[in-house]
Parts: sequence; structure tokens; C-alpha cells
Amino acid sequence: AQTVTQSQPEMSVQEAETVTLSCTYDTSENNYYLFWYKQPPSRQMILVIRQEAYKQQNATENRFSVNFQKAAKSFSLKISDSQLGDTAMYFCASATNAGGTSYGKLTFGQGTILTVHP
Amino acid sequence: NAGVTQTPKFQVLKTGQSMTLQCAQDMNHNSMYWYRQDPGMGLRLIYYSASEGTTDKGEVPNGYNVSRLNKREFSLRLESAAPSQTSVYFCASSELWNQETQYFGPGTRLLVL
Repeated sequence: AQTVTQSQPEMSVQEAETVTLSCTYDTSENNYYLFWYKQPPSRQMILVIRQEAYKQQNATENRFSVNFQKAAKSFSLKISDSQLGDTAMYFCASATNAGGTSYGKLTFGQGTILTVHP
Repeated sequence: NAGVTQTPKFQVLKTGQSMTLQCAQDMNHNSMYWYRQDPGMGLRLIYYSASEGTTDKGEVPNGYNVSRLNKREFSLRLESAAPSQTSVYFCASSELWNQETQYFGPGTRLLVL
């Protein structure tokens, strides 16, 4: 079974500054994926970034990057140059490699509410 | 390209009433999913459909049924709603070959009195 833990219920940051959201996970699988999803007040779940466990290089998407520490089972999200539109709930999630007709079950953390202040 | 759409956006039910939540995707995805989101918790999988014609139980299937109507549509039915089913429901879809990367609809907020 997989578990995902986000230990920061709430975070805040000033506009244009950098913030890091923490996530730890536990899995017995060797091949898995990690994700960060953003859920703004509209409630839409938006995929922010994706990391394959077999890749050593940290994933980046514009202002969003991750620090993937496989041995420590840590997967933090760094948001650079924070914008007001980044205010949202952020969920860390993991999934095993589905393969074939097996589904890729997503396991979500509890979420971190990020508020960006002007 | 609307992605994943859900109807209704909000619904109030009385205990014992039934209703169907609708979900459709226009991304030609094979796999579709229903999740529920409760306060202080992440999303939990109710049912999923790996491909048209197949459905399977997820983590919390009790009290729900699903129908994969065709490749585009995947509905979730509550036969006899209970207050414990008050939640926000999300539908998602993914490629069959990339099921780990799922794209979500806007959600349906359900209140059962």
C-alpha cells in the first residue's frame, strides 16, 4: 500500500518570493510516479508537475520544480516568483506504474493550503 | 476542447433519494475514474473504468454504482443517498497507456440532508 503525507496544513508567501511545499511518501514499489496537483477556489484539480521515480533528474515546469529525494522518500515542490494566482490547495500524489490493463491508482496526501500575499 | 465535464455542479438531496452524477471527456481517453473529496483528506477512489465495457471498485465503493455508457461517458449513481455521502465528487480520465497521469473535471458538490 502507498501512503502520502503532507505535514504542512497551511503555508503563506509574499508575492514574487519562493516557497517550498513538503511531501513524503511510502511505497514498496520500485516503479512509481509522483505528482503535484493544484486545486484553486474553483475546485478544479490541475496537474502541476509529474516525476517518474526512475529518473534522477528533478522535473521542472516553468516556475515550478521539485526536489525528489528517492532514498528519503521525499518529494517537495518549489514555487519560484510566487504569483497571486498560485493561491490554492496543493496535493501531493503517488501512483504505481499501471501497465497493461491495470489502473494507475492515485494516492493523495491531505493537502497544503498556500496563500500568496500581495 | 472542454476536457472533462461534470453535471450537475451542485446538488442537494434528502436521505434516501437517488441521483446520477454525469461525467464526459472529449480527450479520447480510455480510462475514467470517480473520486470523492472530504474535508481534511485527499481524494479517494470510488470506482474506475480502465476501458469501455469494464468497471472495477476502488477504495470506497459502498453505496455507489457506475456505468461506462460509452468511451466518452462515465456516470456515478447513488441509489439511496446518505448524509455520509455529502462530499465533492470528481471525475477524471487518462490514457490507457498512461493511467497514472489523470485529468480532472471541475467537481460536483453534493449535500445530503
